Amino acid sequence: EDQVTQSPEALRLQEGESSSLNCSYTVSGLRGLFWYRQDPGKGPEFLFTLYSAGEEKEKERLKATLTKKESFLHITAPKPEDSATYLCAVRLRNNNDMRFGAGTRLTVKP
Amino acid sequence: NAGVTQTPKFRVLKTGQSMTLLCAQDMNHEYMYWYRQDPGMGLRLIHYSVGEGTTAKGEVPDGYNVSRLKKQNFLLGLESAAPSQTSVYFCASSYSRPSNEQFFGPGTRLTVL
Repeated sequence: EDQVTQSPEALRLQEGESSSLNCSYTVSGLRGLFWYRQDPGKGPEFLFTLYSAGEEKEKERLKATLTKKESFLHITAPKPEDSATYLCAVRLRNNNDMRFGAGTRLTVKP
Repeated sequence: NAGVTQTPKFRVLKTGQSMTLLCAQDMNHEYMYWYRQDPGMGLRLIHYSVGEGTTAKGEVPDGYNVSRLKKQNFLLGLESAAPSQTSVYFCASSYSRPSNEQFFGPGTRLTVL
């Protein structure tokens, strides 16, 4: 069964305290792995797409990496405005179906 | 550009009632999607469309129907609402390449009593 699991469920950091969010997946065929940010009461906002193991992408304080079994979202020196829920999703190879993880709720305290 | 818009923003239904949620996009995207989001379960794909006049089932299609009569619109219907369909519904759209990012609407909060 195709599954996407994110950990931890919730993460509280002090401003400037770097950390990583994990997204592990077991799917029949990967056509792309996506990271989204979701603020309360809003729709998800796209961050990154990764296609193959070893690929990395960066945007401001965020860096996403991909292996054959998991992806990490590294947050360097986070600020309070980075507080949000971060969602991981995979697009399955056999069709255009998407599978999302339950998300990691990040809180950054000043 | 309005991006992806959803109508209505909130709705309360009684069990057995029907309703239609409207999604509209002005980005000329080929692909459109309907998701539901429940606490602790993330987003789950209900139905999607890869072009005008086409629809396909996602992970949780039961109890819902969809139509894509115009490229810019994607409708989600509930024929006989059930309390289990209480959720936040998100519409999204993307260009035709499957690897492209999805743009999401602001969501519709539906409560079925």
